[in-house]
Amino acid sequence: QQQVKQSPQSLIVQKGGISIINCAYENTAFDYFPWYQQFPGKGPALLIAIRPDVSEKKEGRFTISFNKSAKQFSLHIMDSQPGDSATYFCAAKYSGAGSYQLTFGKGTKLSVIP
Amino acid sequence: NAGVTQTPKFQVLKTGQSMTLQCAQDMNHNSMYWYRQDPGMGLRLIYYSASEGTTDKGEVPNGYNVSRLNKREFSLRLESAAPSQTSVYFCASVGNGNTEAFFGQGTRLTVV
Repeated sequence: QQQVKQSPQSLIVQKGGISIINCAYENTAFDYFPWYQQFPGKGPALLIAIRPDVSEKKEGRFTISFNKSAKQFSLHIMDSQPGDSATYFCAAKYSGAGSYQLTFGKGTKLSVIP
Repeated sequence: NAGVTQTPKFQVLKTGQSMTLQCAQDMNHNSMYWYRQDPGMGLRLIYYSASEGTTDKGEVPNGYNVSRLNKREFSLRLESAAPSQTSVYFCASVGNGNTEAFFGQGTRLTVV
């Protein structure tokens, strides 16, 4: 049972273009939606995150758009650069009692070509 | 500030051998996690520890055991390795504010 569905699996974007990665979730108890960035040979690192009471969050060239009614959220990378080439994971955190648990999407491999 | 440190970084095992993956964090975090990453599968939770002295199963616990040795250290043990356990293993920790998860650099395990 996949609770967070991510698409596309891979993405090729020209330098300067916009990269868009989409995620959809099923569990309405999720209350925190982070995006992680992973470079080859490294562990994932938090890129940007949003809570469901906000429809958009922007940090530099990275923006999360959140649609609570559709249970969807997306990552937009403006002016994409070759240095952005990495694998991106969306995730969702369950808000129930107990410890913090993240459910991850399957990842999107982004390649930004010069 | 080292963050989350995993050892070893690479390991090759024969089927049936056992080994322990070590993880330590220096951020005084309560919660620690073990994930495995396989191509096209994302990150799947194996076991987690909400606090020192407690451990719980995640999505894919079969074939693994864990020990929360103290607040800093959380180890993952494979008692009898199988080729299906070939993967990259990541340890992570989360602080008391329950927001950002910090990951180690991973252990690439191959079982032949």
